[in-house]
Amino acid sequence: KAGVTQTPRYLIKTRGQQVTLSCSPISGHRSVSWYQQTPGQGLQFLFEYFSETQRNKGNFPGRFSGRQFSNSRSEMNVSTLELGDSALYLCASSLATSLFTDTQYFGPGTRLTVL
Amino acid sequence: AQSVTQLDSQVPVFEEAPVELRCNYSSSVSVYLFWYVQYPNQGLQLLLKYLSGSTLVESINGFEAEFNKSQTSFHLRKPSVHISDTAEYFCAVGGSYIPTFGRGTSLIVHP
Repeated sequence: KAGVTQTPRYLIKTRGQQVTLSCSPISGHRSVSWYQQTPGQGLQFLFEYFSETQRNKGNFPGRFSGRQFSNSRSEMNVSTLELGDSALYLCASSLATSLFTDTQYFGPGTRLTVL
Repeated sequence: AQSVTQLDSQVPVFEEAPVELRCNYSSSVSVYLFWYVQYPNQGLQLLLKYLSGSTLVESINGFEAEFNKSQTSFHLRKPSVHISDTAEYFCAVGGSYIPTFGRGTSLIVHP
């Protein structure tokens, strides 16, 4: 079974621009979560989507948004990029019994650099 | 609310030596506990998890962790490490809230 895939793997943007990241979950997984990983803050939860609806949300500003399509693929969008948005963005999928207890399967991440 | 503390940011060890990576958690409700491993340029992979039952859980590659409710700990151990175990290890707590991850411990295995 193919794992979680994320595209692109690397991205360079400038302040003020917006960016869209894509995630394809493992086949059969209906939950997709997004995390931001930085050396200073570690791994922080952004949001989770299940059946095209945002089911859980972390403590990030509204510039960070996402959506999920009917095939469970998900996109994350960051508008008005700031230098502090430079990070590794990880997508994780799970069977979606519960985000709180399921094992999550992570993709390799998208490395975003904001100049 | 809940939180996770990984007490060591970096643990250097020689090959074939034992290792312990420490993890303490704080939660007001019952918890599920996870250890994930991240190899360079890869995403996180589940190493092992505690949901209920036996407090000692094992992974297929020789790691084990013990849930200690009184000390609110879930330390990861391996009796003999290999060079290939060099990676970043993350402890996470779930159960009743959104999963919370520790800052990670970098395990560096020297030949």
